Amino acid sequence: KNEVEQSPQNLTAQEGEFITINCSYSVGISALHWLQQHPGGGIVSLFMLSSGKKKHGRLIATINIQEKHSSLHITASHPRDSAVYICAVSHHNTDKLIFGTGTRLQVFP
Amino acid sequence: DSGVTQTPKHLITATGQRVTLRCSPRSGDLSVYWYQQSLDQGLQFLIQYYNGEERAKGNILERFSAQQFPDLHSELNLSSLELGDSALYFCASSVVGGPGEQYFGPGTRLTVT
Repeated sequence: KNEVEQSPQNLTAQEGEFITINCSYSVGISALHWLQQHPGGGIVSLFMLSSGKKKHGRLIATINIQEKHSSLHITASHPRDSAVYICAVSHHNTDKLIFGTGTRLQVFP
Repeated sequence: DSGVTQTPKHLITATGQRVTLRCSPRSGDLSVYWYQQSLDQGLQFLIQYYNGEERAKGNILERFSAQQFPDLHSELNLSSLELGDSALYFCASSVVGGPGEQYFGPGTRLTVT
């Protein structure tokens, strides 16, 4: 069993829909990261969080430390949101990132 | 643009050869991380350096080695290359030595033929 699990693996949406991607982890962590990888391959860090909730524009990330679960929400989705979204955790007090397998999102006009 | 640079962007080489990938972190960042992304294994942490010293090690093969120089740039050396080493290699940098936001470079795509 992977230490970081994401669901769903693939997600298709119509423009404007509300999207949720889930991440569960089984190890002790000091922080959780949400990353975005575009088709060209580049990786962008969206959020790093260790508790509560963060919001950047149309993106919202939440984490529940007790349940070892995080969600990434995209409101009013747009075709430019099409990418792979990767959840990663900083293993307890180290810098080592453990990655989920990613969620491939396609948003159609 | 994250401010992290990697060279080269693409590299094609033959089995058994040795290559060096280079990474320059964002100005002021002391930590450099190396990651490998292959189709079958996904993203994996290889190694981290902080201010010139090795800080953490992940799933890095013995054929691979890395170092961070006094100007903080880092090099990842891959030797005795095998077909399975074909992958995207990313470096990332952060200010801190502990858990912190990481800024990723554009990656080097290595193809071993």
